[in-house]
Amino acid sequence: SQQGEEDPQALSIQEGENATMNCSYKTSINNLQWYRQNSGRGLVHLILIRSNEREKHSGRLRVTLDTSKKSSSLLITASRAADTASYFCATDVTNSKLTFGKGITLSVRP
Amino acid sequence: DTAVSQTPKYLVTQMGNDKSIKCEQNLGHDTMYWYKQDSKKFLKIMFSYNNKELIINETVPNRFSPKSPDKAHLNLHINSLELGDSAVYFCASSPLHQNTEAFFGQGTRLTVV
Repeated sequence: SQQGEEDPQALSIQEGENATMNCSYKTSINNLQWYRQNSGRGLVHLILIRSNEREKHSGRLRVTLDTSKKSSSLLITASRAADTASYFCATDVTNSKLTFGKGITLSVRP
Repeated sequence: DTAVSQTPKYLVTQMGNDKSIKCEQNLGHDTMYWYKQDSKKFLKIMFSYNNKELIINETVPNRFSPKSPDKAHLNLHINSLELGDSAVYFCASSPLHQNTEAFFGQGTRLTVV
């Protein structure tokens, strides 16, 4: 079974609202990463949070990590229609293997 | 300049054929990967190479054979294609050290008919 599990599977919000996506995992990790995939495109890295970090920001993105609960959340503030995409969390357990969850489909309505 | 490029972008072929997908990265990374994304968007690692050496071979049928002629290239050859091989295949690369992101290609949509 996969390491990361995102929640919810699908999220639909109005432009300007905040979007919160969650990810849970099973084993100890080196870091956790979030990626975005636009329809028909490759994955684009958004943010990486190390196992000894609790929160990280990048522009409108805020990621938290709770290693005791083995969970992470991605918050996108002031969402835009262009944020419509699938979002994946990925856990880095060893140097050579990123394990992805099933992804969350985010729809931002204009 | 494309960092990780895959060719072809689309591949339609008949069952039983043999096909190859090529991947090249110009980022100077030591590690390259192949991932398979199924129709439900589940992304699963297939292979990982460090400096041309195979590091990870997840439970992939031996009809799939990766080849890395140099650390900038990782090609995927698939023999005797089956309907279940239909998916999007992504190549990716990353530096060798810890806590680094992976860079993905645009994907190759393989359709076996």
